Amino acid sequence: DAGVIQSPRHEVTEMGQEVTLRCKPISGHDYLFWYRQTMMRGLELLIYFNNNVPIDDSGMPEDRFSAKMPNASFSTLKIQPSEPRDSAVYFCASSLVFWSGLAGGHNYNEQFFGPGTRLTVL
Amino acid sequence: GENVEQHPSTLSVQEGDSAVIKCTYSDSASNYFPWYKQELGKRPQLIIDIRSNVGEKKDQRIAVTLNKTAKHFSLHITETQPEDSAVYFCAARLLNSGGSNYKLTFGKGTLLTVNP
Repeated sequence: DAGVIQSPRHEVTEMGQEVTLRCKPISGHDYLFWYRQTMMRGLELLIYFNNNVPIDDSGMPEDRFSAKMPNASFSTLKIQPSEPRDSAVYFCASSLVFWSGLAGGHNYNEQFFGPGTRLTVL
Repeated sequence: GENVEQHPSTLSVQEGDSAVIKCTYSDSASNYFPWYKQELGKRPQLIIDIRSNVGEKKDQRIAVTLNKTAKHFSLHITETQPEDSAVYFCAARLLNSGGSNYKLTFGKGTLLTVNP
């Protein structure tokens, strides 16, 4: 498997422009996560999906940010309009939940990260 | 929600020495604690994880310990090598009542530098 795929790898845009980041999760994975990474705030979860349905979007900073997952193999994160403070590396990650009969039968999942998109808003 | 504190923010050691990174979490319901390594310009990758039913786990030169009572867990790297230089993130997962939450809360990261 090629792993999680993200595009573009780098994006430079001007303030006010619309930005669309794309992610293809690992085939068969049922969870997809969008993260933002900056020096000041570290690695922040923006939103995550389960079977294409958004579960928790409490990390989405503003209405300027939106995310969709129209099918199991594709997700987008859109910023409209973009601002300089949105400059960051955006990671997409996917995981497959499995059931462990040990430890009281809890669910566990490893998140596999994509290579990230480095966004610069001028 | 969960809050994860990680210390130190930077750590410099000599090759061959040991390195220890510590994290604390706020919610006693958290039950899964992974550690990720991120090399410069690369993606975070899982290196080891521990579940709340065990106190220690080892994988070659890497070990993680968990103290549920004190709500802290630590990463131990022995015989450090220059290729261990990276940013290390701890994380915690809060299990909600429905058992369906898979949200990881990450620490701010520790920049480890191993000097030859």
